[in-house]
Amino acid sequence: IVMTQTPLSLSVTPGQPASISCKSSRSLLHSDGKTYLYWYLQKPGQSPQILISEVSSRFSGVPDRFSGSGSGTDFTLKISRVEAEDAGVYYCMQGLDLRTFGQGTKVEIK
Amino acid sequence: EEQLVESGGHLVQPGGSLSLSCAASGFMFSTSWMTWVRQAPGKGLEWVATINPDESEKYYVDSVKGRFTISRDNAKNSLYLQMNSLRVDDTSIYYCTRDGRLLLPWGQGTLVTVSS
Repeated sequence: IVMTQTPLSLSVTPGQPASISCKSSRSLLHSDGKTYLYWYLQKPGQSPQILISEVSSRFSGVPDRFSGSGSGTDFTLKISRVEAEDAGVYYCMQGLDLRTFGQGTKVEIK
Repeated sequence: EEQLVESGGHLVQPGGSLSLSCAASGFMFSTSWMTWVRQAPGKGLEWVATINPDESEKYYVDSVKGRFTISRDNAKNSLYLQMNSLRVDDTSIYYCTRDGRLLLPWGQGTLVTVSS
């Protein structure tokens, strides 16, 4: 499964919204009814950290300005009001068939 | 606290071998699927290999098939990655992670540099 993210980079003013798209080459809907699409953030010099699981479930401790949506092959991560601490590279990942990551979207704070 | 600690990263010449280890604590390692993910300098994340709890299932990305072997020792709560015939493009930080479809937790990574 190929994961394609757009854009590959984003420069955002604090307080403004941001959106990242992720498309998979085939549906991530499993026969169990779950859709195995995840969002990670990797801050400079750190390991990736989970933000969103199964399309839209915000992980424990993740601020509510982060939200995930989508279905099938099209998914979106939105940040309602970007803060300085949100800088880093965002990856989508499919967990349906082995594991594949998107190319990453670098978010810079102006 | 769930924790993973990788070790074994080193500078190695092309064609050489290296073995990575990952020590797990704070969760039931023996019943967990485990995965290695790598990241080349300045590049994105790449899934490398996955192993099931009893080692009966192992999966690899095409670029490492026949060269890398994933294994585990449940008695020692440890995951391994044996890397042979190393190439310059294997240079990466290698992370181990518990794989429940969701990859969590992640270790801090260990750097493998393949260079002459």
